[in-house]
Amino acid sequence: QQQVKQSPQSLIVQKGGISIINCAYENTAFDYFPWYQQFPGKGPALLIAIRPDVSEKKEGRFTISFNKSAKQFSLHIMDSQPGDSATYFCAAVMDTGRRALTFGSGTRLQVQP
Amino acid sequence: ETGVTQTPRHLVMGMTNKKSLKCEQHLGHNAMYWYKQSAKKPLELMFVYNFKEQTENNSVPSRFSPECPNSSHLFLHLHTLQPEDSALYLCASSQAASGEYEQYFGPGTRLTVT
Repeated sequence: QQQVKQSPQSLIVQKGGISIINCAYENTAFDYFPWYQQFPGKGPALLIAIRPDVSEKKEGRFTISFNKSAKQFSLHIMDSQPGDSATYFCAAVMDTGRRALTFGSGTRLQVQP
Repeated sequence: ETGVTQTPRHLVMGMTNKKSLKCEQHLGHNAMYWYKQSAKKPLELMFVYNFKEQTENNSVPSRFSPECPNSSHLFLHLHTLQPEDSALYLCASSQAASGEYEQYFGPGTRLTVT
């Protein structure tokens, strides 16, 4: 049973465009939501993260939008660049002492020049 | 060496073989993790070690046997695997076994079971 649902599975964006990846969760015990970026041949790396007490967090061209009532959060990549082409994973952490990451299924982003 | 290293990077093994995957972290962390990454499936947490003690086994079949001799090293011993076990096995470490701490991943071992 997948606890964090991620969409789309793949995404093609033109250079300079906005990439949007969406995630949804069911369990309200989740209280920390990181995004990971993975390039081919590499392990995932933390990109940006948010807690549910804020609705938005921005770091450079990357923004997380969080809707607590809808139990949804999304990653926006502004001015997308070919170097952003990678697989992106959303994740969630549950505050129960068992604070392991639960990952979404991933989105393969391709930014065309 | 920096970060999290994994060896070997690629492994092909038959179903009757016994092999081991090695992970080493050079970050001074106290928690280490094994994940399985299969095509079209989410990253699956397999095991968590915190200060060398196993704190989580995510219903992993016994043909996978982890070992954590110290906070810097983590092994995954493999025996009598099945073809469906073919995947990318990722090791990660963090300051402590708490999700709010960033997990640093190694590059993974690509395992093929024939």
